[in-house]
Amino acid sequence: GNSVTQMEGPVTLSEEAFLTINCTYTATGYPSLFWYVQYPGEGLQLLLKATKADDKGSNKGFEATYRKETTSFHLEKGSVQVSDSAVYFCALISNTGNQFYFGTGTSLTVIP
Amino acid sequence: EAGVAQSPRYKIIEKRQSVAFWCNPISGHATLYWYQQILGQGPKLLIQFQNNGVVDDSQLPKDRFSAERLKGVDSTLKIQPAKLEDSAVYLCASSLSPRGGGPLQETQYFGPGTRLLVL
Repeated sequence: GNSVTQMEGPVTLSEEAFLTINCTYTATGYPSLFWYVQYPGEGLQLLLKATKADDKGSNKGFEATYRKETTSFHLEKGSVQVSDSAVYFCALISNTGNQFYFGTGTSLTVIP
Repeated sequence: EAGVAQSPRYKIIEKRQSVAFWCNPISGHATLYWYQQILGQGPKLLIQFQNNGVVDDSQLPKDRFSAERLKGVDSTLKIQPAKLEDSAVYLCASSLSPRGGGPLQETQYFGPGTRLLVL
């Protein structure tokens, strides 16, 4: 079956620290991988995506590389800001269907 | 471009009452999704529409939940009667293409959600 496993939070970092949020997946076929971000009181927003192995998605200083050999899609940012405080969801959609599978989310708090 | 609209944003009801949520997807998006997001969990798909037809409702509790998208545009999700465990955020999302449209078109865009509290 299809599933996504994220590192558990919450994560608290100081401003300008390096961020890694781990995400691994199990999927049939060749999935597309996504990171969504949910700011307090808002809906999910697409942060970045990658559709095939070795693709790197990037946006707003965040990056994630689709690693087929380790079935991973870890989210990274070199220098976080207070405005990055949110919940981050890793998700996949398999190439055999249209259903998204979400991880449980990782809460990030960045303190000044 | 206007995003996915949902209303109401918040709803408080007592158990055994009924409630309905409304969603208007991004213009031109063929596919519409309803998700349930319980506190501390990722969203769980309840039902997926392609135009006005149901593609997947395998995780919809059909004894109490119903949804429709009569004209292939906006949609309503109803709970009747509500239970305490239905307290959650109900998210609506839309995407451009039906099944097989490719990853770019399959990207889902989410509304702000309706936060439901059942007392």
